[in-house]
Amino acid sequence: GAGVSQSPSNKVTEKGKDVELRCDPISGHTALYWYRQRLGQGLEFLIYFQGNSAPDKSGLPSDRFSAERTGESVSTLTIQRTQQEDSAVYLCASSLDATSLNEQFFGPGTRLTVL
Amino acid sequence: EDQVTQSPEALRLQEGESSSLNCSYTVSGLRGLFWYRQDPGKGPEFLFTLYSAGEEKEKERLKATLTKKESFLHITAPKPEDSATYLCAGRRGSNYKLTFGKGTLLTVNP
Repeated sequence: GAGVSQSPSNKVTEKGKDVELRCDPISGHTALYWYRQRLGQGLEFLIYFQGNSAPDKSGLPSDRFSAERTGESVSTLTIQRTQQEDSAVYLCASSLDATSLNEQFFGPGTRLTVL
Repeated sequence: EDQVTQSPEALRLQEGESSSLNCSYTVSGLRGLFWYRQDPGKGPEFLFTLYSAGEEKEKERLKATLTKKESFLHITAPKPEDSATYLCAGRRGSNYKLTFGKGTLLTVNP
């Protein structure tokens, strides 16, 4: 079956521009996560969605970052007024639900470069 | 604060030369120690989940073990296709968040 998909795979933008990254989770997975992977660093948790519950936004680094999810499907991560330090790979993952018994499955990521 | 530390940062092996990767963790009330493999330009691929000290899981040439303070990923007779970055992550209690280490870049030379 289809895995987690993300688009675009690569995005180059100029400092100050807004960008929107998309994630399509595995069908039937109610939990969805966004992570950021900077060069040489571990994955950083950004935000989590579970069904219709309020999202956990505790990992978002600033108010320039926001994310939405439509029901239990597509999610978009938006970065406003991009800065060079936002350059990273943004990874999306989904799991069947959020219990500890369910592993997270990752998409291929979007590599964001801010010039 | 939860922490996961992986060592070494990079490891070069000859084909057939067995070795181990280390993952040390301080995660309060650990409920799941995860191992992922990440190839260049791709997202992490799930390998194993370990839940309790003494647990072991195997998959082909890989075996993961868990103690109360660390986890090891043993690679037996590696092949060049095992070259990748191996990531370790811990989950606290019933929290869904994973705390990741920085990974170990494994290169297996033919």
